Amino acid sequence: GAVVSQHPSRVICKSGTSVKIECRSLDFQATTMFWYRQFPKKSLMLMATSNEGSKATYEQGVEKDKFLINHASLTLSTLTVTSAHPEDSSFYICSASQANTEAFFGQGTRLTVV
Amino acid sequence: AQSVTQLGSHVSVSEGALVLLRCNYSSSVPPYLFWYVQYPNQGLQLLLKYTTGATLVKGINGFEAEFKKSETSFHLTKPSAHMSDAAEYFCAVSGSNYKLTFGKGTLLTVNP
Repeated sequence: GAVVSQHPSRVICKSGTSVKIECRSLDFQATTMFWYRQFPKKSLMLMATSNEGSKATYEQGVEKDKFLINHASLTLSTLTVTSAHPEDSSFYICSASQANTEAFFGQGTRLTVV
Repeated sequence: AQSVTQLGSHVSVSEGALVLLRCNYSSSVPPYLFWYVQYPNQGLQLLLKYTTGATLVKGINGFEAEFKKSETSFHLTKPSAHMSDAAEYFCAVSGSNYKLTFGKGTLLTVNP
């Protein structure tokens, strides 16, 4: 099956710094990537949808300037949490899809802001 | 618009007992339906999916689910629970674009 790799799996950063999370499709070209956030004991909340070569579409309530998403190639999308604060601590998960086919999930990134 | 309701945030069964996790959905377009499993601090693993065709779908690890349009349901079952089945289970719905809307999840515990 298709493999999506997310890196890092865990990251701890200081409040006020920025953190970049990478999502790579290893064996297929992902025309669309999705970014989710999962709060403790909560469901996954879709943050944004990114299509290769175009701006990401953010869901209502998600701050575009805080969560920067770049989908520069068909195999890589990045999520940058800018000026991170403790309330940004969460589990972030990406998924990747090829031309309206099934989306495959990365293994997630546990972000802790101290 | 789409939504998913998972009845029961926590289900506890004995090892060897039937597993039944309930999922109801609403969708303004023909739904694609999914069940995912998540182990602690890990991503999501697809158990099974329904897109079109046969309404009874079989997935990995002995799980299956049946799409019932009249009941707007897609309940997940497994005849005999194993200890390794203990995890969080998410039901999700999408249209043909695979943009998923998730339910709140059901934590399955399996007692020896």
